[in-house]
Parts: sequence; structure tokens; C-alpha cells
Amino acid sequence: KAGVTQTPRYLIKTRGQQVTLSCSPISGHRSVSWYQQTPGQGLQFLFEYFSETQRNKGNFPGRFSGRQFSNSRSEMNVSTLELGDSALYLCASSTGTGNQPQHFGDGTRLSIL
Amino acid sequence: TQLLEQSPQFLSIQEGENLTVYCNSSSVFSSLQWYRQEPGEGPVLLVTVVTGGEVKKLKRLTFQFGDARKDSSLHITAAQTGDTGLYLCAGAGRGGYNKLIFGAGTRLAVHP
Repeated sequence: KAGVTQTPRYLIKTRGQQVTLSCSPISGHRSVSWYQQTPGQGLQFLFEYFSETQRNKGNFPGRFSGRQFSNSRSEMNVSTLELGDSALYLCASSTGTGNQPQHFGDGTRLSIL
Repeated sequence: TQLLEQSPQFLSIQEGENLTVYCNSSSVFSSLQWYRQEPGEGPVLLVTVVTGGEVKKLKRLTFQFGDARKDSSLHITAAQTGDTGLYLCAGAGRGGYNKLIFGAGTRLAVHP
């Protein structure tokens, strides 16, 4: 069974640009959650999508947005990039029902110059 | 705000030693998960504990969930070099099962 796939693995952008990251969940999983991982703040929850609707949201500015498609694939967009947005962005999928664990992809490493 | 405090932050031990990692909070969690992450990869789920007082064993790893569901521990017996990595605890709290709150992590180095 294929795992969670994130593309691209690496991205380099400059301040002010915008970026879109993609996540394909495990087949049959309807929930996709996004996390930001930095050395200083650790892993922080961004948002969760379930059946194309945002179900949960973390404490990040509106520059961070996402969406989910009918096939459960999800994209995350960050606009007006800042140096502090440099991080590993991880997505995790689960069935989305009950207390089912999340399974993570290997992330997209975003570097802002 | 729900927080998870994980300790120790760093652990450097010799192969064969035992170790315990702690994850504590003043909040109740509906479940708690332990992950291990290696450089350049995403966290890999080790175990989920749901019931207060629950103990789960995974070979040389023993996971315990506190009776009040506010704390958890991971004990490794006879550590091996392959256990080296970043260990993360994560709690599913009030926000929902998929809004995980992570501890800061314990970076474990096991030397031969």
C-alpha cells in the first residue's frame, strides 16, 4: 500500500513569492492534515481537510491556505513568503473517522532566500 | 492552550543501556501517539495509546499512558544503534483527533 506522497521534496523561493505544495494521501484516507516543522517551534498544526472541507485550523496567518480535491489530494498555498516560513512542511493522512492515527509523508523542505 | 512537555530534550547513551522519555501535560488528551523521525524523513508512527493506564509493548519499547490521560512515557530496553533518532509524542486534544499537539521531541543518540 503506497504511503503519503508529498511533492516537491525541495523548494527554494524568495521573499514575497508564493508557493503551492501537494500531498497525496494513502488510498482510502479522507483526512489530510498539514504541519510545519522548524528547529525552534517543532511541529505545529496548520489545518485539516476532510471531504473537501476545512475541519480544523491552527494559529497561522491567512497567508497559509489549503484545499482538498474530490480524490482527497490536498494542496497547501503560502503567499507573500517571509524568511520565517522556511521549514519542513509535512502532511499526514488518516481515515478521518474515530481515533485513527495519522500517517506522515516525508515532507517538502521549503527554503526562503 | 494545550501543551505537551517532553523530556529529556537530548539523550546520548551507549548500546545496551536502558532509557525513558517522558511526555507531560496539565491537559487531558483523548489519545497519545509516539512517532520516530529520522533525518530527511517524516515521522513514523510507533504506537497509539487511548485508555488511561494502558501499557503497550513493541519489542524492546514499552509505552505507558497515565491513568489521568495527561502524561505518557516511552521506555527502551537494551538500546541499539538503530534506535537513534528523534522521538516525538503527540496528543489528540480538544481540537479533534487529527489536530495533533506535539512535544518538542527527544533526540536520542545510541553509540556502539
